[in-house]
Amino acid sequence: AQSVTQPDIHITVSEGASLELRCNYSYGATPYLFWYVQSPGQGLQLLLKYFSGDTLVQGIKGFEAEFKRSQSSFNLRKPSVHWSDAAEYFCAVGLTGGFKTIFGAGTRLFVKA
Amino acid sequence: NAGVTQTPKFRVLKTGQSMTLLCAQDMNHEYMYWYRQDPGMGLRLIHYSVGEGTTAKGEVPDGYNVSRLKKQNFLLGLESAAPSQTSVYFCASGRSETQYFGPGTRLLVL
Repeated sequence: AQSVTQPDIHITVSEGASLELRCNYSYGATPYLFWYVQSPGQGLQLLLKYFSGDTLVQGIKGFEAEFKRSQSSFNLRKPSVHWSDAAEYFCAVGLTGGFKTIFGAGTRLFVKA
Repeated sequence: NAGVTQTPKFRVLKTGQSMTLLCAQDMNHEYMYWYRQDPGMGLRLIHYSVGEGTTAKGEVPDGYNVSRLKKQNFLLGLESAAPSQTSVYFCASGRSETQYFGPGTRLLVL
């Protein structure tokens, strides 16, 4: 069965430090992969997506993610975290066929001054 | 473009009451979705629609019904609300694999 695992329920980083959020998926076919961010009380906003091609994808707000097929991973990174990045981050897999997506449980990011 | 809008933003219901959540999108998207979000569980798909007049069950459809009479609107109904349906409900729309989300409806069932 398809699934998405985000191993870290929450992460705390210092402002200015680098960030990596982990995501592993289980899916038999080539996946469509997404990262979404949710600020408190808001809906989900798309950060970036991978469909094919270059395995390192750039997104908004200075985020990037790398698809590693051998590890079934799609980790999200940012070189220098800002206090405004504090939010919940969701990794997701889009199923082939186009219209269903499976979400991970989310990782809440705390940023300390 | 307003994008995806949801009505209402917040609602309190008593057990057994009914209500309808409205989702509207102005992006001419074919696909629309209803999710619920509960702590530690991410988003779970309730129902979805791949076009006007069509609906299908998602992962957690029990206790909910939906209708898509117009392309731009997707309604989620609770016929007899239960405390287990206390959650935040998100609507989303999309043309293909990418989904665009509304701001959510917070529902409390007492």
